[in-house]
Amino acid sequence: DARVTQTPRHKVTEMGQEVTMRCQPILGHNTVFWYRQTMMQGLELLAYFRNRAPLDDSGMPKDRFSAEMPDATLATLKIQPSEPRDSAVYFCASGSGDSGRTDTQYFGPGTRLTVL
Amino acid sequence: GNSVTQMEGPVTLSEEAFLTINCTYTATGYPSLFWYVQYPGEGLQLLLKATKADDKGSNKGFEATYRKETTSFHLEKGSVQVSDSAVYVCAVVTGGGNKLTFGTGTQLKVEL
Repeated sequence: DARVTQTPRHKVTEMGQEVTMRCQPILGHNTVFWYRQTMMQGLELLAYFRNRAPLDDSGMPKDRFSAEMPDATLATLKIQPSEPRDSAVYFCASGSGDSGRTDTQYFGPGTRLTVL
Repeated sequence: GNSVTQMEGPVTLSEEAFLTINCTYTATGYPSLFWYVQYPGEGLQLLLKATKADDKGSNKGFEATYRKETTSFHLEKGSVQVSDSAVYVCAVVTGGGNKLTFGTGTQLKVEL
């Protein structure tokens, strides 16, 4: 049963610290999405990649957030420096697509981040 | 841009009751429609989908029909169980299928 995996599942850190979240997409999927979920805003798309290239990161605060795909099996989302308002659940999702279309997105279990 | 409107929750039902959660959308082109379910502490799981008008998605007793004329994709289940208690999220995708637009989610509570 192929699944998206995310680590860590929970992270508590202090304001100003660097946070790195990792995602392993489903093998064979070529599109990866990062979402943030809060009670106030619901689900927000932060960034997404196709074939490891960033296609859209307009939803991401550029000054402190960065997203990369070092290889096809790993996507990372970094926050440096972290702030209390970054506290949320961060989801990764993967899908397969070509010619500009993406099939169904499959979500990981999320990383619950708390910044004190 | 696309938008999705879901009925406000929480919805509280007794076990074996009939469930309807309304979802309407606005979108250009030919959208695909999805229902996701989120259990406490977990990520979104795809429940069902429909990719063209009049398609019916179904899974685990849940059904939804893509109604282009009313731009709706209402979720139904004939007899809910306590284990169906979760948040249900309607979503639409167009424009190359890269960006899902989500509804705000509807929390369902099923009681004995």
